[in-house]
Amino acid sequence: KNQVEQSPQSLIILEGKNCTLQCNYTVSPFSNLRWYKQDTGRGPVSLTIMTFSENTKSNGRYTATLDADTKQSSLHITASQLSDSASYICVVSNLNQGGKLIFGQGTELSVKP
Amino acid sequence: GAGVSQSPSNKVTEKGKDVELRCDPISGHTALYWYRQRLGQGLEFLIYFQGNSAPDKSGLPSDRFSAERTGESVSTLTIQRTQQEDSAVYLCASSSDRNTEAFFGQGTRLTVV
Repeated sequence: KNQVEQSPQSLIILEGKNCTLQCNYTVSPFSNLRWYKQDTGRGPVSLTIMTFSENTKSNGRYTATLDADTKQSSLHITASQLSDSASYICVVSNLNQGGKLIFGQGTELSVKP
Repeated sequence: GAGVSQSPSNKVTEKGKDVELRCDPISGHTALYWYRQRLGQGLEFLIYFQGNSAPDKSGLPSDRFSAERTGESVSTLTIQRTQQEDSAVYLCASSSDRNTEAFFGQGTRLTVV
């Protein structure tokens, strides 16, 4: 079954600290993997998108990694800021289903001062 | 338009009434998705349109839900005989192809009373 599992479910960190969010998937065949940030009351916004051949991709203080062999991805946030408080969603695209996006349940990150 | 536009932004309806939600995707985007997000929960896939292919309706929760899309333009999601459990934010997203970023609208917050 095509699934995307994220951990932890929620996370609280202090401002300035780093954190890493995990994503495991069983979607096959794989097309690409995306990380989205969703602020409360807003639609998700894309942070990164990686294809099979990409191992790491950065977007400012966000760095995503992908291991297509183990079907794992991580999102590392460096020097966290209060504005990083949001839900971070891992999304995998299924190659066979016309690129249908399969969403994880998200990790709720709270950055405290 | 500049982004994905959804209307209305908020809708309060009485149980048993029908509602119609609208999504205007970004011009030229062939892929369009509808998702539902209940309070405090992750995104739940509803339906996926890709160009002229038959839509993937596998996420529609019941036959009270239906969606249409005219070509590569506007889509409408219709919920008939609304129930209280239909209360959620309904999000629409579009993308130009399977390997590019999907842009989300701000959602329609539906409340069934």
